[in-house]
Amino acid sequence: EAQVTQNPRYLITVTGKKLTVTCSQNMNHEYMSWYRQDPGLGLRQIYYSMNVEVTDKGDVPEGYKVSRKEKRNFPLILESPSPNQTSLYFCASRPSSGNTIYFGEGSWLTVV
Amino acid sequence: GNSVTQMEGPVTLSEEAFLTINCTYTATGYPSLFWYVQYPGEGLQLLLKATKADDKGSNKGFEATYRKETTSFHLEKGSVQVSDSAVYFCALSALGNMLTFGGGTRLMVKP
Repeated sequence: EAQVTQNPRYLITVTGKKLTVTCSQNMNHEYMSWYRQDPGLGLRQIYYSMNVEVTDKGDVPEGYKVSRKEKRNFPLILESPSPNQTSLYFCASRPSSGNTIYFGEGSWLTVV
Repeated sequence: GNSVTQMEGPVTLSEEAFLTINCTYTATGYPSLFWYVQYPGEGLQLLLKATKADDKGSNKGFEATYRKETTSFHLEKGSVQVSDSAVYFCALSALGNMLTFGGGTRLMVKP
């Protein structure tokens, strides 16, 4: 089954404690991306990747890092989380030649 | 850069009322346009899409037409149901990137 898998789905953490949200897709897609969803602001792109070792900033990259060492994985790293990074995070992927985009189920992150 | 603007909500309607949610966009080139829906407590679901000018996307009674001349992709439904209560997102996809979303419009349908 084609899917994008994110982990963890729910996390409460403390300010400054590094965390990683993993994202994996089983469709051999070139493009992957991270979004955060906040009330009234919709979904804003954090980072995206067009292929292995190719990443670029989205609209709100501050405080986040990503890596794309393998095609299937695109982890989101919060080196020193802060309360303003409390949000719902979505990972997504699509093939380079198509426009059907697959989303993960979302990760609820709370930073206290 | 690319951007999507959609009407702010919440939009509150009675059951069987006509729905329009406005969406306009700014993009270079010829983007594909999408409407996504998010039901309470759930993730994003693709509702419909259109990939070129004058295309009409439709699904579950919802429709939207890609209007290049007005850079719009308004969502419509002739008769809404309580089960349509959700947040609706307009989005575009352009070459070299993924999706750019609008701010979302919450729809509440009352019996």
